[in-house]
Amino acid sequence: NAGVTQTPKFQVLKTGQSMTLQCAQDMNHEYMSWYRQDPGMGLRLIHYSVGAGITDQGEVPNGYNVSRSTTEDFPLRLLSAAPSQTSVYFCASRRQGEQYFGPGTRLTVT
Amino acid sequence: KNQVEQSPQSLIILEGKNCTLQCNYTVSPFSNLRWYKQDTGRGPVSLTIMTFSENTKSNGRYTATLDADTKQSSLHITASQLSDSASYICVVSFSGGYNKLIFGAGTRLAVHP
Repeated sequence: NAGVTQTPKFQVLKTGQSMTLQCAQDMNHEYMSWYRQDPGMGLRLIHYSVGAGITDQGEVPNGYNVSRSTTEDFPLRLLSAAPSQTSVYFCASRRQGEQYFGPGTRLTVT
Repeated sequence: KNQVEQSPQSLIILEGKNCTLQCNYTVSPFSNLRWYKQDTGRGPVSLTIMTFSENTKSNGRYTATLDADTKQSSLHITASQLSDSASYICVVSFSGGYNKLIFGAGTRLAVHP
């Protein structure tokens, strides 16, 4: 199993650009989520999904969209990037209380 | 307000020494508490998970304790190794919801030879 994979690993965007962060898992987990990690703060939940076709907002959803068309994939879209979205983004999948994180995407918005 | 606070923010120890990291929380209703290890440039990896009724749980040289009365947890690392250099994150879960996790900011541990 590859576990949770994320692409790209690094990305630089200009303010106003849009992009999609990819996340995939091969463990057949129903629950997936996106977090952002900023210096000096705990991970914060952006969006989550409890299964294909079902998504919901987390703590900091503004400026981000998600969709879940398959169990495996859970992409995160930045609609119009802002410098405040500079962060490290982690995707995670979860089963029976155990959460598995991807390696992260470091995003810089200039 | 539901919060998880970790101390110290950072810690430097010599290889072979022991150390203890602290986690205080105000999350309610409590479901479980997890400790994660996050290596630089990687995602967090679970070390232990404890429910309300568990006081201690070990994973190799890592031992986590939980005092649900005082809402405190600690992670003790025995005979530290250079590979223990990482951030350690305490995460507390609410009862009843997948999405209800509160993350601490982490303790950054550096183990020097």
